[in-house]
Amino acid sequence: GQNIDQPTEMTATEGAIVQINCTYQTSGFNGLFWYQQHAGEAPTFLSYNVLDGLEEKGRFSSFLSRSKGYSYLLLKELQMKDSASYLCAVSIGGATNKLIFGTGTLLAVQP
Amino acid sequence: GAGVSQSPRYKVAKRGQDVALRCDPISGHVSLFWYQQALGQGPEFLTYFQNEAQLDKSGLPSDRFFAERPEGSVSTLKIQRTQQEDSAVYLCASSSTPGNEQFFGPGTRLTVL
Repeated sequence: GQNIDQPTEMTATEGAIVQINCTYQTSGFNGLFWYQQHAGEAPTFLSYNVLDGLEEKGRFSSFLSRSKGYSYLLLKELQMKDSASYLCAVSIGGATNKLIFGTGTLLAVQP
Repeated sequence: GAGVSQSPRYKVAKRGQDVALRCDPISGHVSLFWYQQALGQGPEFLTYFQNEAQLDKSGLPSDRFFAERPEGSVSTLKIQRTQQEDSAVYLCASSSTPGNEQFFGPGTRLTVL
């Protein structure tokens, strides 16, 4: 089976740093994606990791350890608009590259 | 440029009715996916097309669900004899080639009464 775990909810303060963890056990691995989803809207792409290590992209960074089945998303200098659900997804399937999603982490940024 | 579009954005159906949900992917995108997202959950894979070929339909929950992409662009997800448990947001996503990031449409929120 496929299993992706991430915390259900997190709260952080504007201007601070927050780390959202994701662990996975999947049959196959083509890469790991992080998406942001505001309520009632489409998921939007944040980052992609296929090799171990840290990928930095502005205020957002994502880390991957394939041997540990572990990733995290790091958000710096939090803004109120960062309040959203953050979805960890693993791409599997040789020809399909379908995404297996976690349940999402609902982040609330407080003033 | 235009992103992925879906129609209708909202659909209310009576139990037992058939519904058809449309997806217009980004022009030229080879890969097209359908996902189902229940409230408070992450999206769940339904089916995948590479051009007009449906290569994976392992996520379709029952034979009441059917998807097509006859000309390799627009896709339709059809649900026959809708049930209350079909109520969810149906998301369509496309990518330029298999393995690249998927761009999602706004979804169709289906409510079955």
